[in-house]
Amino acid sequence: SYELTQPPSVSVSPGQTASITCSGDKLGHKYASWYQQKPGQSPVVVIYQNNKRPSGIPERFSGSNSGNTATLTISGTQAIDEADYYCQAWDTSSWVFGGGTELTVL
Amino acid sequence: QVQLVQSGAEVKKPGASVKVSCKASGYTFTNFIITWVRQAPGQGLEWMGWIRPSSDSTNYVQRLQGRVTMAADTSTSTAYMELRSLRSDDTAVYYCARVSGRILTDYYIRQYYFDYWGQGTLVTVSS
Repeated sequence: SYELTQPPSVSVSPGQTASITCSGDKLGHKYASWYQQKPGQSPVVVIYQNNKRPSGIPERFSGSNSGNTATLTISGTQAIDEADYYCQAWDTSSWVFGGGTELTVL
Repeated sequence: QVQLVQSGAEVKKPGASVKVSCKASGYTFTNFIITWVRQAPGQGLEWMGWIRPSSDSTNYVQRLQGRVTMAADTSTSTAYMELRSLRSDDTAVYYCARVSGRILTDYYIRQYYFDYWGQGTLVTVSS
């Protein structure tokens, strides 16, 4: 079965750029989505179709996808961005999530 | 505004069944697929399957085949997920979510994402 691999944790200082990666075989040939989940809350999509932002998502969130890696980038990271982030893609009749990355802003 | 409102928390014994509901509002229920995702305590998201309310077409993740059934009642705009033969490792928060499209060909499905989520339903399996 298809697997998406994320680093368990990423740390960033306020105002700096955070990059969260998601790796999978030929992931660049698929569409990647990213979800933000804060403690006790439901996930929220922040990036879809590799690099599109839903309405209401700040411009500091951006995405890219090439080769075997999709990347979520948060520019000018703020304390409110501290959360778990999950990548997702469709493969052969199943949606697959990455294991999640805990973003710490300190 | 689009809303998905799920039923309340459940406590079940091993071997029992649970049925979680997800009532949709704010959009035409038959125009979008509903999917189910679960999250065990302290763990990541696990996709379970989907149902297309307009046709009752379903697709379940292989590891749950035979134990899970997803259904939809278009008269009440409500989706249901039933999980049988519960085990302790089924303890999780179960989410319904709306999928961003309804056409089931691979060309389209691969572009979809989960644009609205329910609030989650905690199912605890314990003897």
